This record gives sequence, C-alpha cells and structure tokens, in this order.
Amino acid sequence: ETGVTQTPRHLVMGMTNKKSLKCEQHLGHNAMYWYKQSAKKPLELMFVYSLEERVENNSVPSRFSPECPNSSHLFLHLHTLQPEDSALYLCASRTYRSAVGEQFFGPGTRLTVL
Amino acid sequence: KQEVTQIPAALSVPEGENLVLNCSFTDSAIYNLQWFRQDPGKGLTSLLLIQSSQREQTSGRLNASLDKSSGRSTLYIAASQPGDSATYLCAVRDNYGQNFVFGPGTRLSVLP
Repeated sequence: ETGVTQTPRHLVMGMTNKKSLKCEQHLGHNAMYWYKQSAKKPLELMFVYSLEERVENNSVPSRFSPECPNSSHLFLHLHTLQPEDSALYLCASRTYRSAVGEQFFGPGTRLTVL
Repeated sequence: KQEVTQIPAALSVPEGENLVLNCSFTDSAIYNLQWFRQDPGKGLTSLLLIQSSQREQTSGRLNASLDKSSGRSTLYIAASQPGDSATYLCAVRDNYGQNFVFGPGTRLSVLP
C-alpha cells in the first residue's frame, strides 16, 4: 500500500458526462503528476504540478482539466470524452527538485468511456 | 527527445531461474533512472532508483545496474519466484527537466 490514493478506482462514463478523478498523497511531497496508460503504450505524462502551480502540460486535449488546490490533492476534471480516452489514469507524487526525487504512484483509476 | 526501450517485451521463465531485464535510453544526459513493478490493473511500485553517479543499486534479490555512456540499465532478478510475475518498467529522468520518460515495459511470467 502506498501513500498515494486515488478515487474512484473504476469509472464508466458516457461521452456527454462530466466527472472528476481525485488523487491524494500523504507523503509530504510538493509535486504531483497525472499519467495516462493505454493498452500497449508507454505511460504518457499529462500534467505536472509543483507547489500547486502547473509547470508542464504536454499538449493534452482541453477535455482534460487538472486542478491542484494544495500540495496534497490533485484532481482531473473530465468532460465530453472520447472512447479513445479509455485508459488507466495514474497519479504520482515526489519532492520537486530533490536530488533523489523518487516517484510514488497511486493504484490508478480505470476509466471506460462508452 | 529522450526515448526509452525495453527488451524483451515479454519473458517466461521457470521458477528459480536468474534473469535479466534490459532498458535502453537514447540521451545519456540523465539525472537518474528508476525501475518499477506493475501488477495487472494496478499502479506502479518503485523497486530501485539509481542516480547518474552510481553504477548499481541492490534491494534483496534485485540488482539494477547503470551504464550511462552506453545508454543502458539492467535489472537482475535472482532466484525468481511466481510472485515476481508482473510488468517491469524503467523510467529515466533527464537533466533538462523534472520529469520521467517511461519505457514500454517487460511482462514477466515466472512459472511454478
């Protein structure tokens, strides 16, 4: 069991729905990440937040909207998704600009878009 | 742009064998490299992290080595067990940013 939790663990939504994924870390880290993992593809970085400010956005479609209200919580707001957005969404955290900076991952949210 | 590959894509071995998983990266200007394990449908569990100044790290039956100049890392698993069955991913953090680039993973099956 890690210090990073994600809810919900499974989500099924229609293309017109709006939902949010939640991530919480209890490790005292100050950077949080959203990754997308699709079948047979490497993990893709979506967003990075450091000290609650977005520091990197790898050109993710605007139907994904992140929010980081504080260093312990991270959300991914979803709206008008496409079936190809079905994937495992993983949250991770670490200490930004640390010499070591090991990443710790949550269990993921399995998203299915119908 | 950093690219990470892992060979083989899948590996099946009998219990008790020693095995090696390979990770290659194209840009040797890395800050560190991290090995993870992922069970089906689950998140990633960190196994070992090697700093660019280090040659290897050990944890129990696992040993990870790093050769920055040739752009390679290996994960050695001694005396494999069925519980080692999982997908193993490597990720490199380069000197230019604070983020990791992941390889596609090696799916390991250890047969009892």
